[in-house]
Amino acid sequence: EPEVTQTPSHQVTQMGQEVILRCVPISNHLYFYWYRQILGQKVEFLVSFYNNEISEKSEIFDDQFSVERPDGSNFTLKIRSTKLEDSAMYFCASKRGRSVEKLFFGSGTQLSVL
Amino acid sequence: QQQVKQSPQSLIVQKGGISIINCAYENTAFDYFPWYQQFPGKGPALLIAIRPDVSEKKEGRFTISFNKSAKQFSLHIMDSQPGDSATYFCAASQGGSEKLVFGKGTKLTVNP
Repeated sequence: EPEVTQTPSHQVTQMGQEVILRCVPISNHLYFYWYRQILGQKVEFLVSFYNNEISEKSEIFDDQFSVERPDGSNFTLKIRSTKLEDSAMYFCASKRGRSVEKLFFGSGTQLSVL
Repeated sequence: QQQVKQSPQSLIVQKGGISIINCAYENTAFDYFPWYQQFPGKGPALLIAIRPDVSEKKEGRFTISFNKSAKQFSLHIMDSQPGDSATYFCAASQGGSEKLVFGKGTKLTVNP
């Protein structure tokens, strides 16, 4: 089965630093997402992205966060100035079409902010 | 109102037993209810999903039961196997929204 690929699997950064998390969605998918999971808590929606623009975002996704599809294959999440509370597992996900219900998740990037 | 409440937090079942995980919601606009399975080191993977026009959906050993009036849905795993040991998340979404609202997860352990 095709997979969503995320790199790196672990990222350690200092508070206040910028970090970019990278994802390669499944090749024929058009809808892209970022979710995060703080240790021991539920998976939370951050943002959805379609046709090179954000289609929906949560209250967590403030001005410190941005997403980009810089080329035909990558989808990135940037955190401009990381905070301690940004430490979490970040999952990228994608699906083929709006009406398609199956959402494919990557294995995640564990971000640790020190 | 956007919450999905999941219970129990953890569950231990013997091989061959039935595992039951429950979820409840408040938002009556939710119209899609998936269950995701997550193994350590992996992302969540869609297991089975239901829409509110049916009360039950079965796929192999996995069954979703849906009670619209009670605003509850549950996952039943029949003949539970050690390979089913994972964390299970219920989720919900509503038409017009791209986001899934997840429950807190249930860590299932199936003992051999």
